[in-house]
Amino acid sequence: GDSVTQMEGPVTLSEEAFLTINCTYTATGYPSLFWYVQYPGEGLQLLLKATKADDKGSNKGFEATYRKETTSFHLEKGSVQVSDSAVYFCALSPMDSNYQLIWGAGTKLIIKP
Amino acid sequence: ETGVTQSPTHLIKTRGQQVTLRCSSQSGHNTVSWYQQALGQGPQFIFQYYREEENGRGNFPPRFSGLQFPNYSSELNVNALELDDSALYLCASSWRDRAIYEQYFGPGTRLTVT
Repeated sequence: GDSVTQMEGPVTLSEEAFLTINCTYTATGYPSLFWYVQYPGEGLQLLLKATKADDKGSNKGFEATYRKETTSFHLEKGSVQVSDSAVYFCALSPMDSNYQLIWGAGTKLIIKP
Repeated sequence: ETGVTQSPTHLIKTRGQQVTLRCSSQSGHNTVSWYQQALGQGPQFIFQYYREEENGRGNFPPRFSGLQFPNYSSELNVNALELDDSALYLCASSWRDRAIYEQYFGPGTRLTVT
């Protein structure tokens, strides 16, 4: 079945460092891909999305590109801030059951001042 | 505009008991999805309700059941609780004709089964 694998955390970085969180997927055809963020004590929020190959999703300085050839959707940010500390989830919506999301395990990001 | 709310925030139950969790969807939304998130893991899709009927279901046994009401609010019922049911239960609402990513999550209900 469809699945999402993302790098284990926690990832600890200093403020203004470059961030990459890896995400790869297994799915039939062309799923839609997403990054969600969960701040402490809050609900999951959509960070960015890409619905077809080579699309780049971006929001709040974060970017991710839908790479069909490597089945990847890595999250990047050029300069992280302390306020980016959260848990980040990669997810996909399958082509044949697009009413659901299939999630990775999440990566906790800790940014130190 | 009111966001997605869930109740209760936390609860503790004993193995074998039954539990009901509640969700109020965001204003204007007619579809509700439920997810289970075990500690340190990503959410797992339980089921989705649209127009008071189950619209899709993940790999969960029948003792997980739900309801959606005419005002689009929803309940998740779990019978014969097991220790492994301990998790954060998330509700998400959306408008049926919109894409899956346009769904909004509540803060969750933390269920502990002892």
